[in-house]
Amino acid sequence: RKEVEQDPGPFNVPEGATVAFNCTYSNSASQSFFWYRQDCRKEPKLLMSVYSSGNEDGRFTAQLNRASQYISLLIRDSKLSDSATYLCVVNVDGGSQGNLIFGKGTKLSVKP
Amino acid sequence: DVKVTQSSRYLVKRTGEKVFLECVQDMDHENMFWYRQDPGLGLRLIYFSYDVKMKEKGDIPEGYSVSREKKERFSLILESASTNQTSMYLCASSLLTGGFGRNQPQHFGDGTRLSIL
Repeated sequence: RKEVEQDPGPFNVPEGATVAFNCTYSNSASQSFFWYRQDCRKEPKLLMSVYSSGNEDGRFTAQLNRASQYISLLIRDSKLSDSATYLCVVNVDGGSQGNLIFGKGTKLSVKP
Repeated sequence: DVKVTQSSRYLVKRTGEKVFLECVQDMDHENMFWYRQDPGLGLRLIYFSYDVKMKEKGDIPEGYSVSREKKERFSLILESASTNQTSMYLCASSLLTGGFGRNQPQHFGDGTRLSIL
């Protein structure tokens, strides 16, 4: 059973579109959730932390659904520069020293 | 800004060599991690450390060892490099867990593309 699952995509969308990714996690004790962005042949970079109440940062909105054990990322008004792989990240359990489980990522390609 | 620096962006070594990958962070983070990333497999944790001289095995520690003699530096060692260790290696650091099971986000270095011939 995979601990963090994402649709690998690719999601091919036109500029200006709204796109949403979902990610499911298996450990109900997980407390910390993040979305990272990774460009081709680059390191992952933190996009946003996901709080229980949901949070928004410009065109990006993250939501957490504990009952169903999934988190989502919504990107509005997609830009060409949003093309990247988006990694869903969850902590291992309720008491570890810092370990995170990274999903394999969802690839987004925004076309002109 | 957090700065995690890996010693090499690209490295080519031969089978059987002992290989050292170095990582330094400048934010006084307690936790440090070594991952490898391969196409289709995502990020896999090799080793991590939450304090000086402390180390814990991750999911794929075989063929690797680590050293943390100073808080800011975490070294990954390939004892006898093999071709299946050709990969992208990523170092990361984070603050100590903030309590109640909450983890701080990890910050990554640029990565080292290691080729073993």
